[in-house]
Amino acid sequence: DGGITQSPKYLFRKEGQNVTLSCEQNLNHDAMYWYRQDPGQGLRLIYYSQIVNDFQKGDIAEGYSVSREKKESFPLTVTSAQKNPTAFYLCASMGSGVQPQHFGDGTRLSIL
Amino acid sequence: AQRVTQPEKLLSVFKGAPVELKCNYSYSGSPELFWYVQYSRQRLQLLLRHISRESIKGFTADLNKGETSFHLKKPFAQEEDSAMYYCAEYNNNDMRFGAGTRLTVKP
Repeated sequence: DGGITQSPKYLFRKEGQNVTLSCEQNLNHDAMYWYRQDPGQGLRLIYYSQIVNDFQKGDIAEGYSVSREKKESFPLTVTSAQKNPTAFYLCASMGSGVQPQHFGDGTRLSIL
Repeated sequence: AQRVTQPEKLLSVFKGAPVELKCNYSYSGSPELFWYVQYSRQRLQLLLRHISRESIKGFTADLNKGETSFHLKKPFAQEEDSAMYYCAEYNNNDMRFGAGTRLTVKP
């Protein structure tokens, strides 16, 4: 399923460093989402975007930033302000109306 | 605030036994509810949604507005059903997930 591509698969961050996770979709979906997946906590919404140049905070947006300059792309930056960034990050997209989300393979972020 | 609650983090049944994964939601209107599944080493994917009222891989889920529940059921579990299951609610342009239930079906 090449609809949503997340890269890299594994990412390591040094203390005080910002890192950016890539998410690209070729499904022509308007909405895109970023989730953080931690054991025992399920998926928690970080940010989402319904259209280009617009995005909203989710439940755990602090320490993260996003941009939506193109419909196909929704990169997530994990800033140094995020004190516990070690997690599995999932990107998803959704077509117009209430449609199921399509997910990427995820990026696992670890701290060096 | 947690909109979707899955009270069981782990659930283990024997092959051929019935299985029910519980899900409760908090939205008081007409929710859009989904069940997603993540098999080992695979992407998270849609299992079923309530408006389609279909059975996928033998699983069904009925919306109970009185109990605000959307429990996932299968009468005879199979080993290949072992996976992580997430209940999700769509509301206000975002999709929120429960904490998930890990189902293990033992031979």
